[in-house]
Amino acid sequence: QVQLQESGPGLVKPSETLSLVCTVSGYSISSGYYWGWIRQPPGKGLEWIGSFYHSRGTYYNPSLKSRLTISLDTSKNLFSLRLNSVTAADTAVYYCARSGIQLWDRVDPWGQGTLVTVSS
Amino acid sequence: QSVLTQPPSVSGAPGQRVTISCTGSSSNIGARYDVHWYRQLPGTAPKLLIYGSSYRASGVPDRFSGSKSGTSASLAISGLQAEDEADYYCQSYDNSLRGGVFGGGTKVTVL
Repeated sequence: QVQLQESGPGLVKPSETLSLVCTVSGYSISSGYYWGWIRQPPGKGLEWIGSFYHSRGTYYNPSLKSRLTISLDTSKNLFSLRLNSVTAADTAVYYCARSGIQLWDRVDPWGQGTLVTVSS
Repeated sequence: QSVLTQPPSVSGAPGQRVTISCTGSSSNIGARYDVHWYRQLPGTAPKLLIYGSSYRASGVPDRFSGSKSGTSASLAISGLQAEDEADYYCQSYDNSLRGGVFGGGTKVTVL
């Protein structure tokens, strides 16, 4: 059974960098499938952040691309999110999740999510 | 402003049938990409409900059904139950954005 768990600071100051880690168990992230991040501002809808497939590359939401880096550590079976120059608009619950073998496949499973608040 | 458009809310009495629409464009649903649906209970992560526009995820009762036509998709819930109260989101892929897109979400209320 594939499980994902997000971890990282719950509070980040404006203009600083938001960093989160998603630890995966039950499946190797280098064996296939798209893996990525989705966020949800409080009381609002879902927003796709970006995804990667180990042998195909990384795809970013164009609206976040200039501030965003998604990287992976296959030795630890985890992947990371770094979002630079954050503002209050980046306050959200951040989910890591697995998609299918195509970028347009369903997202399943999801991590439980972690709330990140941007505030001084 | 979400790429996919959903009604903010729908409601129905127990036992009734409700439908949730998801309207896209020629660069996503109209480009024949699948639509997937998720249910989200308060304080929890979204959970897959329907994939490939019309296939129920494991354990999802047959009261839930999905369909797609042209640039739109729909989720239908028949025999509405109190436990169906939740937020529902549609998702597809957009070839202009080259990434996933979601609807704004629909809150289902059982009267």
